[in-house]
Amino acid sequence: DQQVKQNSPSLSVQEGRISILNCDYTNSMFDYFLWYKKYPAEGPTFLISISSIKDKNEDGRFTVFLNKSAKHLSLHIVPSQPGDSAVYFCAANGRGTYKYIFGTGTRLKVLA
Amino acid sequence: DAGVIQSPRHEVTEMGQEVTLRCKPISGHNSLFWYRQTMMRGLELLIYFNNNVPIDDSGMPEDRFSAKMPNASFSTLKIQPSEPRDSAVYFCASSYQPHGANEKLFFGSGTQLSVL
Repeated sequence: DQQVKQNSPSLSVQEGRISILNCDYTNSMFDYFLWYKKYPAEGPTFLISISSIKDKNEDGRFTVFLNKSAKHLSLHIVPSQPGDSAVYFCAANGRGTYKYIFGTGTRLKVLA
Repeated sequence: DAGVIQSPRHEVTEMGQEVTLRCKPISGHNSLFWYRQTMMRGLELLIYFNNNVPIDDSGMPEDRFSAKMPNASFSTLKIQPSEPRDSAVYFCASSYQPHGANEKLFFGSGTQLSVL
């Protein structure tokens, strides 16, 4: 039972355009969400997070949007750069638990 | 800060052999996680330690898998006997969680395990 789903295994975007990566979750107890970026042969690195008390969090070119009623979050990258090419994982965590559930990842390719 | 250190980076072994993966978490972190990455399931949580105590091992696939954390600076994940379907990248992650969750995880570079 996949509680965190990333339904797009891959995405290609032109440099300078917006990249939108999506994530859906099923557990209404999740209250903290994170995005991680992973380059080949490296471990995932933290990118941005959002608490369920917010619906948007912004950090430079990266913005995460949370729609609690739809149990959906998205990561926007504007403008996209070739160095953003990587696998992006979303993760969710529930209040009072230490278990971070990750999605299967979306491979983003930014074309120069 | 050296980050989370995992060894070995690559391990190739034959079916039936014992495999031990090692992890040194970031100094001062009190939580340690072992994850396995596969194409089909993404990053799966295998086991979670808090203050060196295993809290949740529900993700450990079988009795062939075991994990220990003898002290705050070292953890091992052992597979005995190993099988080809265990081939994956295994990640260790740590974090500081003084009062509960909602803290980001820091990952090591992973161990690429191939069981022939």
